[in-house]
Amino acid sequence: SQQGEEDPQALSIQEGENATMNCSYKTSINNLQWYRQNSGRGLVHLILIRSNEREKHSGRLRVTLDTSKKSSSLLITASRAADTASYFCATEVSSNTGKLIFGQGTTLQVKP
Amino acid sequence: NAGVTQTPKFQVLKTGQSMTLQCAQDMNHEYMSWYRQDPGMGLRLIHYSVGAGITDQGEVPNGYNVSRSTTEDFPLRLLSAAPSQTSVYFCASRPGLGIGETQYFGPGTRLLVL
Repeated sequence: SQQGEEDPQALSIQEGENATMNCSYKTSINNLQWYRQNSGRGLVHLILIRSNEREKHSGRLRVTLDTSKKSSSLLITASRAADTASYFCATEVSSNTGKLIFGQGTTLQVKP
Repeated sequence: NAGVTQTPKFQVLKTGQSMTLQCAQDMNHEYMSWYRQDPGMGLRLIHYSVGAGITDQGEVPNGYNVSRSTTEDFPLRLLSAAPSQTSVYFCASRPGLGIGETQYFGPGTRLLVL
């Protein structure tokens, strides 16, 4: 069964606007990670937030984590056409196995 | 470093055929894994390995075998291909099981089973 549910499934914005994607999960986690996938390519790791962290920044990316609500959000500020991709959240639920459980992804289109 | 490499990039099989998807990494990572990506399903873990000689099952292991004879290589074998195994397969590696370690993905193998 899928751990993560992402919302929205698809998002279309203009260049310069902010994009927000949400991820909800079901069980307790060690950490939550966000990945980007360009069409037909592999996944690229964007940012990892640990279960004891609430917010993390990396460049134009801001991730929040609310463990009480079992949810996370990814904010991309001042979006660019090059940000067009699919974005996935993944949760690591066990430190013994390293397994990642992925959500279904949000497809982001940034129009120039 | 080449990172994580996968071969082939694309493969067409007939039902019942067998094949091996290759995965190699040159980062001396202990942990390697295989995922499959289907439309609308996200990525699902097939098998993983925490080190040479050690493998274990993920969410969807049926129909697949793995072995880990070296740290660098983690091949995925399809024993008797079925149309339901049509998917994109990704191999990934990470240094180990430490919390907070980044996972590195290969470019993927697109498999079509007719």
